[in-house]
Amino acid sequence: EVQLVESGGGLVKPGGSLRLSCAASGFTFSNAWMSWVRQAPGKGLEWVGRIKSKTDGGTTDYAAPVKGRFTISRDDSKNTLYLQMNSLKTEDTAVYYCTTVVGATENAFDIWGQGTMVTVSS
Amino acid sequence: DIQMTQSPSSVSASVGDRVTITCRASQGISSWLAWYQQKPGKAPKLLIYAASSLQSGVPSRFSGSGSGTDFTLTISSLQPEDFATYYCQQANSFPFFGGGTKVEIK
Repeated sequence: EVQLVESGGGLVKPGGSLRLSCAASGFTFSNAWMSWVRQAPGKGLEWVGRIKSKTDGGTTDYAAPVKGRFTISRDDSKNTLYLQMNSLKTEDTAVYYCTTVVGATENAFDIWGQGTMVTVSS
Repeated sequence: DIQMTQSPSSVSASVGDRVTITCRASQGISSWLAWYQQKPGKAPKLLIYAASSLQSGVPSRFSGSGSGTDFTLTISSLQPEDFATYYCQQANSFPFFGGGTKVEIK
């Protein structure tokens, strides 16, 4: 079964750090471009950033609100995606989803994790 | 960056109604457009990709159209399980989402 499972969410103080993980199974993780998408309480979906497969350069792209504070990485030997979040702000409070394209869906995200909640509060 | 604008932000409809949601890109994206459905507390679910291709397992009452900058998601006959929030997303360069359209019970 194709699956993504996030973990690592929790409560953190403003200015703090947190690392999220996303464990993948059921598909060739090393070939996949992986993204993080977040959703603040009562708000819409916001793309956070992505990491390309190593064969496509392994480079990362980030949305403006998180650039310079968040870092996406991957460990293909463990089929795991990471999101290192530093200098956290209250506006980073959200459910964080990892997502990817597995089928022939023209870059549309067909596989999503269940999400992990991050709360930034003093 | 390409901005995605959805309208309306919410719509009230009854079971059996035809519902249309529009999405406009700030610049042309050809057919690189996806639609998602999200229910409270759940992850988004892909409905339509490449502007008009129905994802496997999605009921045929859902359809998508458009290209360039203007796109439409249509639900031909609204069912009880369709009350949810719908998002468009450009699937070309950076995968930015529209603001969402909440379909509510009238």
